[in-house]
Amino acid sequence: EAQVTQNPRYLITVTGKKLTVTCSQNMNHEYMSWYRQDPGLGLRQIYYSMNVEVTDKGDVPEGYKVSRKEKRNFPLILESPSPNQTSLYFCASSFDRLPGANVLTFGAGSRLTVL
Amino acid sequence: KQEVTQIPAALSVPEGENLVLNCSFTDSAIYNLQWFRQDPGKGLTSLLLIQSSQREQTSGRLNASLDKSSGRSTLYIAASQPGDSATYLCAVVSGSARQLTFGSGTQLTVLP
Repeated sequence: EAQVTQNPRYLITVTGKKLTVTCSQNMNHEYMSWYRQDPGLGLRQIYYSMNVEVTDKGDVPEGYKVSRKEKRNFPLILESPSPNQTSLYFCASSFDRLPGANVLTFGAGSRLTVL
Repeated sequence: KQEVTQIPAALSVPEGENLVLNCSFTDSAIYNLQWFRQDPGKGLTSLLLIQSSQREQTSGRLNASLDKSSGRSTLYIAASQPGDSATYLCAVVSGSARQLTFGSGTQLTVLP
């Protein structure tokens, strides 16, 4: 089944403890992206990647890192999480490397709580 | 900076009604517009993608229109069903970086 898989789906952690949210897609998509969704603020883009080894900042990149060493994987790294990073995170991908050129396929989301 | 607004924030209708959801955007120079559906605790599912050169797209009971000059899009849902209950979001791609900007969504409840 064609899909975007995120792990973990739910995570509670403490301030300062490094964590990684993995994202993997099996559709050979060029473009991958991370979003966070907060009440009243909608979805905001954190980082995106148009190709292997190519990543760019979105609207809210502070406090996050990403890497794209392989086409299928795009992990989101929180080096030192803080409570304001408590949110619902989504990974998405699309076939064309140009952002928004094609339909975006989303993962099921990862709910992160930072205490 | 592009801003996307969806009104109303919430809508409740009886089953069988036809309804229209609205999306407006401030910068009309868009590449495309997408409508998504989000179910509670789930990810987003793409419903329709309208390229900037198109006026509308249809999929089953859904029809989305785009008026770039006025900065508006509508999602028309025919013969609504309780299974249509979800949050509907629109998003536009615009700017030199082809940024994807989302609206805050309309939460639709279809009553049996």
